[in-house]
Amino acid sequence: DGGITQSPKYLFRKEGQNVTLSCEQNLNHDAMYWYRQDPGQGLRLIYYSQIVNDFQKGDIAEGYSVSREKKESFPLTVTSAQKNPTAFYLCASSRTGLGSNTGELFFGEGSRLTVL
Amino acid sequence: DAKTTQPPSMDCAEGRAANLPCNHSTISGNEYVYWYRQIHSQGPQYIIHGLKNNETNEMASLIITEDRKSSTLILPHATLRDTAVYYCIVRAIGNSGAGSYQLTFGKGTKLSVIP
Repeated sequence: DGGITQSPKYLFRKEGQNVTLSCEQNLNHDAMYWYRQDPGQGLRLIYYSQIVNDFQKGDIAEGYSVSREKKESFPLTVTSAQKNPTAFYLCASSRTGLGSNTGELFFGEGSRLTVL
Repeated sequence: DAKTTQPPSMDCAEGRAANLPCNHSTISGNEYVYWYRQIHSQGPQYIIHGLKNNETNEMASLIITEDRKSSTLILPHATLRDTAVYYCIVRAIGNSGAGSYQLTFGKGTKLSVIP
């Protein structure tokens, strides 16, 4: 079935360690996104990418990095520079292009990161 | 994108219609209204969207006022599985340029369906 796969679902890390969250989609979507969600809050955009080899900072990019070497993949690295990394991370994708972007985002199941 | 206002929480009896309101008084003529929901600890799920006409699909109905300053999402026969946070989002479709493909999620309305 087509969809978005995030892994791992749960992740623990020690302070000072970098960690990479995986996001893969087989929907043939051009655009991909990373959001962060804290308890009781809405979603905040970290990074997004509209095409391969290009990505843009969202509202809270500090302490995070991404790459987009393949259309299907958009991994997120939470670096040691991120002061408050414990959160629920959501990856999404969408079609792009004038007239083809209905604005519908398809989300993965999320990755819950806990820093010990 | 225009700002939206939703009540923080609502209850609905199982089997009854759930009517979730959303105010978007600063909406522009080219902005659509989107609804998503998020069941606990899962990714958000698209429900429906519309511009000015009422819309209906297998999940819900969307009623948009004539002045487009508010809308209501209707779940006609709420079930326990409809318990979730519902997000109302406003944005334009088809804009070019950086950031045009992102959606801004607020805190939404937490709907509790009660047996």
